[in-house]
Amino acid sequence: EAQVTQNPRYLITVTGKKLTVTCSQNMNHEYMSWYRQDPGLGLRQIYYSMNVEVTDKGDVPEGYKVSRKEKRNFPLILESPSPNQTSLYFCASSLRPPGQGGYEQYFGPGTRLTVT
Amino acid sequence: AQSVSQHNHHVILSEAASLELGCNYSYGGTVNLFWYVQYPGQHLQLLLKYFSGDPLVKGIKGFEAEFIKSKFSFNLRKPSVQWSDTAEYFCAVTRWDNYGQNFVFGPGTRLSVLP
Repeated sequence: EAQVTQNPRYLITVTGKKLTVTCSQNMNHEYMSWYRQDPGLGLRQIYYSMNVEVTDKGDVPEGYKVSRKEKRNFPLILESPSPNQTSLYFCASSLRPPGQGGYEQYFGPGTRLTVT
Repeated sequence: AQSVSQHNHHVILSEAASLELGCNYSYGGTVNLFWYVQYPGQHLQLLLKYFSGDPLVKGIKGFEAEFIKSKFSFNLRKPSVQWSDTAEYFCAVTRWDNYGQNFVFGPGTRLSVLP
């Protein structure tokens, strides 16, 4: 089944404790991205990746890191989480980047992160 | 900066009422436009998209949207809503230029359909 998976689905952690949220897609998609969803703000893009070893900042990259060593995986890293990073996080992928043909994104199930 | 606005934060309708959700964007270049739906507790799913051609696009579950380039708008419509349409709806625009290629989402409109 074609899908985007994220782990963990729920995470409660403390300020400053490094964490990684994994994202994997099995559709051979080139473009992957991370979003955070907050009430009243919709989805805001954190980072995106056009292909392997190519990543770039989205609208709200502060406090986050990503890597794209393999095409299928795009982990999100919070080196020193803070309470303002409490949010619902979605990973998404699309076959090609936005400028190459109007491909839609497929979303993962979401990761609800709470930082105390 | 490019932005996407959605006219209504929360819309409440009775079953069988007609629906129109507004979406406007501020980017002047070539755009692709999308509407996504998020049912309670679920991830986003594509309703429909505009890439090129006929500005009136039809999506799943009886939804349609019209791209009006002169108004920078992409409003979502459905002639008769059902209780199962209760969800949050997001408009999204893709942009690509020298600064990058990404998706920009609107803040969302929550639709509540009363049985």
